[in-house]
Order: sequence, then C-alpha cells, then structure tokens
Amino acid sequence: GESVGLHLPTLSVQEGDNSIINCAYSNSASDYFIWYKQESGKGPQFIIDIRSNMDKRQGQRVTVLLNKTVKHLSLQIAATQPGDSAVYFCAEKGNTGNQFYFGTGTSLTVIP
Amino acid sequence: ETGVTQTPRHLVMGMTNKKSLKCEQHLGHNAMYWYKQSAKKPLELMFVYNFKEQTENNSVPSRFSPECPNSSHLFLHLHTLQPEDSALYLCASSVAGGVNTEAFFGQGTRLTVV
Repeated sequence: GESVGLHLPTLSVQEGDNSIINCAYSNSASDYFIWYKQESGKGPQFIIDIRSNMDKRQGQRVTVLLNKTVKHLSLQIAATQPGDSAVYFCAEKGNTGNQFYFGTGTSLTVIP
Repeated sequence: ETGVTQTPRHLVMGMTNKKSLKCEQHLGHNAMYWYKQSAKKPLELMFVYNFKEQTENNSVPSRFSPECPNSSHLFLHLHTLQPEDSALYLCASSVAGGVNTEAFFGQGTRLTVV
C-alpha cells in the first residue's frame, strides 16, 4: 500500500528564517501531492499542491519541490512567522481512486 | 471556515454508549471521507464515499458504521467503542474523480472513550 513519511518529526526555526520540511513517499505511480497545515484544535488546511509533471511550484511565501527520482517532496516557507507554527503534513493522492494518504507530520515551532 | 462542518466538536462516551458523529459540506463536492487522527500517527483513512456509495473501507472495525444519505452529509455511528478508539475524527470532502483536487477538512470531533 501507499506509504508517506516525513524525515523529521519536529523543527524549530527563528522568526524570519526560512523553513524546509521534507517528506518521502513510496508510491511512484502517485501523480498528485499536497501540503497541509494543521494548527492546534483545527483540521488540516490546504497550503499548496503539485502534480507529478512538475518539479517546483510556488505560492505566497511557500514553495513545493518534487523529486520523483528519489520520491521526495519538500515544503519551503520563506521568512517564517510565528503564525506558521503548526504541524505540516504531506499527502499523496492514490492512483486507484479518491484516497488521500498522509505522512506522520512535522511539528514546526517558530521562535520569536 | 473550510465549508466542512463537523458536530459535535467534543464527545465523551462510555464503552457501552451509542453515539453518532455528523459531517456536512457546503462545497458541492461528491466525495466524502472519514479519517482518524491519533497522536504521533499519520492520518488513517477509514471510509470513502463517492456519490453516496462507499468505495473504501480501510479494515475498520464494525463498531464504526458510516452512513452517507446524500452527497452533502456523512455520519459515523459509534457503538461499543474501546478506549484506544479515543482520537480526533476528521471528515473531509473533495470532487470525486478530480485529478488535481485537494480534500477539504472539517475541524474534527475530539472523541474520548471512557
């Protein structure tokens, strides 16, 4: 079955620095990937997505990089702010239906 | 506000109780999901419904019984739960069959089984 995992469970960064959160996936046939942010007491919220025919996509202060060769996904947050403190999940959409499979999550703490 | 509403937000129930979790989406989606989120574990997909039909049951114990009366509503009926079932239960919806369509999540129901 699909397996999506994260390299590090926690990450602490200084306010204003850039953050990089990594994710590994196992299903090479997956063609759609999503990063979610989950704040305490809330459900996961969409941040940015990327299709497998792309290797980079940028949003507002966030960039997602996809390396299909090594099945690796990363989320870069520029000028990290205290409001970015949350748990970040990568998700992979299964190629056999509507299933979304999630990694364990990385807890990001921004130090003022 | 994501357009997906879950009630109740918190629920404490005994092992012999029967309760139901409710999810409603106002996004016009036709796929709905139940996920279980336990501490230090990935979100576990429980059930998937496409156009009111269950298309995925991820080996979930029968003490969890989903119901999808229409594309906008999803229920999770609970009975004779165990303490290890305590978790955050998340409902999500998406466009069924959409190639690049993310799932939108509700706030979740924090369930505690005592």
